Amino acid sequence: AQSVTQLDSQVPVFEEAPVELRCNYSSSVSVYLFWYVQYPNQGLQLLLKYLSGSTLVESINGFEAEFNKSQTSFHLRKPSVHISDTAEYFCAVSARNPQETSGSRLTFGEGTQLTVNP
Amino acid sequence: EAGVTQFPSHSVIEKGQTVTLRCDPISGHDNLYWYRRVMGKEIKFLLHFVKESKQDESGMPNNRFLAERTGGTYSTLKVQPAELEDSGVYFCASSPLGRNYGYTFGSGTRLTVV
Repeated sequence: AQSVTQLDSQVPVFEEAPVELRCNYSSSVSVYLFWYVQYPNQGLQLLLKYLSGSTLVESINGFEAEFNKSQTSFHLRKPSVHISDTAEYFCAVSARNPQETSGSRLTFGEGTQLTVNP
Repeated sequence: EAGVTQFPSHSVIEKGQTVTLRCDPISGHDNLYWYRRVMGKEIKFLLHFVKESKQDESGMPNNRFLAERTGGTYSTLKVQPAELEDSGVYFCASSPLGRNYGYTFGSGTRLTVV
């Protein structure tokens, strides 16, 4: 079984400031890691994912996340946020082993509301 | 390609009534998942179809919830009778067979039971 903890439920920042949304996970098996974003009145969109290889992954809109196996973390960062980044962000994991019946199930954190103010 | 489509987008029903939510996955996606987010809590897994078969329904909260996937295409999730605690946002997602990561989610159905 897996669990995900998003340490901050709300993160207010000013435009052009840096931001970090924290995510820690617990799992007895190897996992894939994801960040999803939900903009107001929209569905969940995949922001970025870590499957293997380089522990630093990037999105097309300037976010990055680093997988830290020793600290079981996958924090999301952006050096300079925009008003349009205001959204709720969800960290999620799924087990790697496709043989497990629950292998493709996503376990989510409770979400972090990022609010970017002018 | 068209995305995952869910309808209705919103539903308000009275306690004790029945509601049916529908999900149309991306064409050709054999994996179909239902998730639910209740009252600002985490998004929780409900069940997983592979084609028309239930692969994992361990997340279904109780027997008031019934999910079906006719012919391996669209899926319905029926709640009968609805209770107040069933209020929340119900998400559907799909992915191709053999891919166990990175699904495509629908926009969700917001269910309010009053």
